[in-house]
Amino acid sequence: SQQGEEDPQALSIQEGENATMNCSYKTSINNLQWYRQNSGRGLVHLILIRSNEREKHSGRLRVTLDTSKKSSSLLITASRAADTASYFCATGPSGTYKYIFGTGTRLKVLA
Amino acid sequence: DGGITQSPKYLFRKEGQNVTLSCEQNLNHDAMYWYRQDPGQGLRLIYYSQIVNDFQKGDIAEGYSVSREKKESFPLTVTSAQKNPTAFYLCASRLTGTGGTEAFFGQGTRLTVV
Repeated sequence: SQQGEEDPQALSIQEGENATMNCSYKTSINNLQWYRQNSGRGLVHLILIRSNEREKHSGRLRVTLDTSKKSSSLLITASRAADTASYFCATGPSGTYKYIFGTGTRLKVLA
Repeated sequence: DGGITQSPKYLFRKEGQNVTLSCEQNLNHDAMYWYRQDPGQGLRLIYYSQIVNDFQKGDIAEGYSVSREKKESFPLTVTSAQKNPTAFYLCASRLTGTGGTEAFFGQGTRLTVV
């Protein structure tokens, strides 16, 4: 079973707009991470947020974490065509080294 | 340069054959993982391992086997019992201390049954 469920499954926006994707998970966690995957490639790490953090920024990325709702969101501001990719959240249930990914959001940014 | 390497990039399997996918890392990571990805889908966990000679089944382990004889290596065998093996396979490694760090991924192996 997937630890994280993401929505939307697919998102299409115009260049310059903001893109928001959400991730929900099932168990208590130590941290949550977001990754990007270009078509047919391996995943690249974007940002990590710890369970005691509520918000984190990295460049055009903003991640929030609500442990009471077991959910996280990734915001990409001022999107570019090069941001077109799939985005996944990943978590590991506390007390284990299992590491599970969400179902992913396919983002398409139109130039 | 440290990293994680998967080989081969493309692999073709005949019906009834076992094939082994290689995954090697020189990042001194303790944990290693294998995932399967079908077109347009997320990553599903096959097997994972934290220490040498120990590994755990993930969510879709049936038809697969692994070994962890060395810290650096975590090969995956797709056996003939796996009825639908055509997929993209990704290997990852990470440190698991203090809540765990980011995972580093190989570039994947695309397996096709012919």
